[in-house]
Amino acid sequence: EVQLVESGGGLVQPGRSLKLSCAASGFTFSNYYMAWVRQAPKKGLEWVATISTSGSRTYYPDSVKGRFTISRDNAKSSLYLQMNSLKSEDTATYYCARHAHWETFDYWGQGVMVTVSS
Amino acid sequence: DIVLTQSPVLAVSLGQRATISCRASQSVSISSINLMHWYQQKPGQQPKLLIYRASNLASGIPARFSGSGSGTDFTLTIDPVQADDIAAYYCQQSRESPWTFGGGTKLELK
Repeated sequence: EVQLVESGGGLVQPGRSLKLSCAASGFTFSNYYMAWVRQAPKKGLEWVATISTSGSRTYYPDSVKGRFTISRDNAKSSLYLQMNSLKSEDTATYYCARHAHWETFDYWGQGVMVTVSS
Repeated sequence: DIVLTQSPVLAVSLGQRATISCRASQSVSISSINLMHWYQQKPGQQPKLLIYRASNLASGIPARFSGSGSGTDFTLTIDPVQADDIAAYYCQQSRESPWTFGGGTKLELK
């Protein structure tokens, strides 16, 4: 059974940093692209970052480019999201997701809440 | 960026058919491959993949869910609607980065 478990969320002040983690199990982690998708309170879904199987290639939308960094450790079956220069508009539930075939997000974690506020 | 537009709310009766639409600002099809996908999200839960490439049922999804469409216009159909289907439904395109989602359609009981 595929499982994705996020951790590391919490309350952080604007301009500060936070790092999210995602522990994966139930599949061969190193064979899949992985992603982060977020959802602001009562809002829709927004893709945040994707990383290739080896970690050599990363992709971001303009809204987070230069502030967020996605990374992975295949030996630990773990995915990370380093978030710097956080803004109030980054407040959201962040989901770790398997990015299958560069197309769908076919498995999702339960999500972790990040609140950016002074 | 490709913008996906969905109606915010759809009210249906149990046992009836629900048709949820998604319109893209430009084509999301390449040759005969329709790069549109659908997700279900129940309150307090993570999204779940329902349909990929417009019409293919994801693993474990009941046959009362189906999808259709091509180019810029896509439809998710639930027939018949059951109480467990009350949720928000999102379309998502993978034609080009940034991958984008529709704003979601909340399925409510009439």
